[in-house]
Amino acid sequence: SQKIEQNSEALNIQEGKTATLTCNYTNYSPAYLQWYRQDPGRGPVFLLLIRENEKEKRKERLKVTFDTTLKQSLFHITASQPADSATYLCALMNSGYSTLTFGKGTMLLVSP
Amino acid sequence: NAGVTQTPKFQVLKTGQSMTLQCAQDMNHNSMYWYRQDPGMGLRLIYYSASEGTTDKGEVPNGYNVSRLNKREFSLRLESAAPSQTSVYFCASTQRGLGETQYFGPGTRLLVL
Repeated sequence: SQKIEQNSEALNIQEGKTATLTCNYTNYSPAYLQWYRQDPGRGPVFLLLIRENEKEKRKERLKVTFDTTLKQSLFHITASQPADSATYLCALMNSGYSTLTFGKGTMLLVSP
Repeated sequence: NAGVTQTPKFQVLKTGQSMTLQCAQDMNHNSMYWYRQDPGMGLRLIYYSASEGTTDKGEVPNGYNVSRLNKREFSLRLESAAPSQTSVYFCASTQRGLGETQYFGPGTRLLVL
């Protein structure tokens, strides 16, 4: 069966460190993968998109990698800040399909 | 620009009652989506509309109907609410084509007693 797996346990890190979140998938051939941020009581907000033929994408303190052999994407936040505390969702669009499928998200807590 | 707006923000229904959740976007997007989000389940697609005049079922369409009223508006209707439909409902829209970057509304929190 198809699965998108993100760590269900919250990730706790100290301010200034690099946070690394993982998104693993099985039985998908994604055309691309996206990362969203969701704050409590709010809708998800798009952060980054990476396509199947791209290895890495950066935006300010954010970096996403995409390894289609390992079937994994890593999401990094460098120099993390308490304001980065949120739930981060990965989502992928399977090749030949037309809608996104979301993972359940990982909560990130950055302490001062 | 307001982006994607949803009404109401909160709603309490009794089992068997009906209601319509409203969604509007002012970004001239072609595609619109309805998701529900439950603890431990993540976001699940209920219905989507690739363009004005078309609608398609998503992963969990049972118990829901949708209407793409025009390019701006996409409504979700619960004809006979059930406690299993207690959830947070999000509307989203996409600019270019299906599956691209999605812009989400603030959500509607629905409790069915």
